[in-house]
Amino acid sequence: QKEVEQNSGPLSVPEGAIASLNCTYSDRGSQSFFWYRQYSGKSPELIMSIYSNGDKEDGRFTAQLNKASQYVSLLIRDSQPSDSATYLCAVNDAYSGAGSYQLTFGKGTKLSVIP
Amino acid sequence: DAGITQSPRHKVTETGTPVTLRCHQTENHRYMYWYRQDPGHGLRLIHYSYGVKDTDKGEVSDGYSVSRSKTEDFLLTLESATSSQTSVYFCATFEEATSYEQYFGPGTRLTVT
Repeated sequence: QKEVEQNSGPLSVPEGAIASLNCTYSDRGSQSFFWYRQYSGKSPELIMSIYSNGDKEDGRFTAQLNKASQYVSLLIRDSQPSDSATYLCAVNDAYSGAGSYQLTFGKGTKLSVIP
Repeated sequence: DAGITQSPRHKVTETGTPVTLRCHQTENHRYMYWYRQDPGHGLRLIHYSYGVKDTDKGEVSDGYSVSRSKTEDFLLTLESATSSQTSVYFCATFEEATSYEQYFGPGTRLTVT
């Protein structure tokens, strides 16, 4: 059974600070990693994807991947109240040839940015 | 945004009745998925499709069936709804040729009384 673990939070950060969200996964064969943002009552929205070790930056968001440690993180710089949401980590094994391209999701971390 | 719509958006039904949820996409994506989301469990895969008439089970498929007769439509059927199937249901699509990213529809909130 593949597992994706996230701290459920809530994680509270002041406006303008860096929010750090963490995720660990159990399947060493995992190759693709995603962060989704979900506002209350809405559907998950893809904000970052990362496929290789290291950092990937997109605006205020940076995804970090360490496959040896089976760890992926999301940093949000200059956090805004509008960033308050639940962040879902998702993992799949697309490159391993499994063929089903299934995502396994963590339960999410609730982020609250305090003005 | 993969142009995904779901219908109905909200439904209340009684235990024992059949229910069909529809997912429609306009992007010609090969893969389509049905998830349910419940507090404490997160998103869990019910069924998925990898082409017209090609479907397979996910983690929580008991009590659900699916059909895909056209690329753009993926139907989820609860043959006899139970209270444990009260949930929010999301459809997602994915096209392997362009990326490995799944995009979600707006969701259907189903209440079984």
